[in-house]
Amino acid sequence: GAGVSQSPSNKVTEKGKDVELRCDPISGHTALYWYRQSLGQGLEFLIYFQGNSAPDKSGLPSDRFSAERTGGSVSTLTIQRTQQEDSAVYLCASSLGHASPLHFGNGTRLTVT
Amino acid sequence: GQNIDQPTEMTATEGAIVQINCTYQTSGFNGLFWYQQHAGEAPTFLSYNVLDGLEEKGRFSSFLSRSKGYSYLLLKELQMKDSASYLCAVSTDSWGKLQFGAGTQVVVTP
Repeated sequence: GAGVSQSPSNKVTEKGKDVELRCDPISGHTALYWYRQSLGQGLEFLIYFQGNSAPDKSGLPSDRFSAERTGGSVSTLTIQRTQQEDSAVYLCASSLGHASPLHFGNGTRLTVT
Repeated sequence: GQNIDQPTEMTATEGAIVQINCTYQTSGFNGLFWYQQHAGEAPTFLSYNVLDGLEEKGRFSSFLSRSKGYSYLLLKELQMKDSASYLCAVSTDSWGKLQFGAGTQVVVTP
């Protein structure tokens, strides 16, 4: 079956612009996660959604970052007034939840100029 | 805070064995995962440990000691395609939220 799909694969934007990153999880996966990875670094947790529960937003670095998940499926990560330090690969993952491995998409490479 | 430590880089010869250590101090523990990530690609799942002991899966094995906050990933009969970054990740809540280490870059030489 289809894996986790992310779009766009690459995004170049000017400092100060808003961007939206999309994630389409594996069908039937109740948990959806957003991470980001800077060059040569590990994965930094941003936010996750689990079923109908309130999302865990504890990893969002500032109030410029927000995410939503509509209908328990597709998720959008929005970054407002982008800064150069936001440049990174943004990875989305989904899973069946507790003790299940995360399945990652190929990521969106964001470059803020 | 959360600390997950692993070596930055390891080099080994094709056909050899390499052991990647991971130590952790986290506010919660619901299991430990290992992922493989080739350059420019997404991480892929390798193994999961929640109880103490060794889990073997082909050429890859993973060990966990919860009392010591310690795990290792053992790669046997190394192949060139095993050159990648290996990520240690701890599940810190009951819903599978993962905290990742910075990754260990394994370089396999001929």
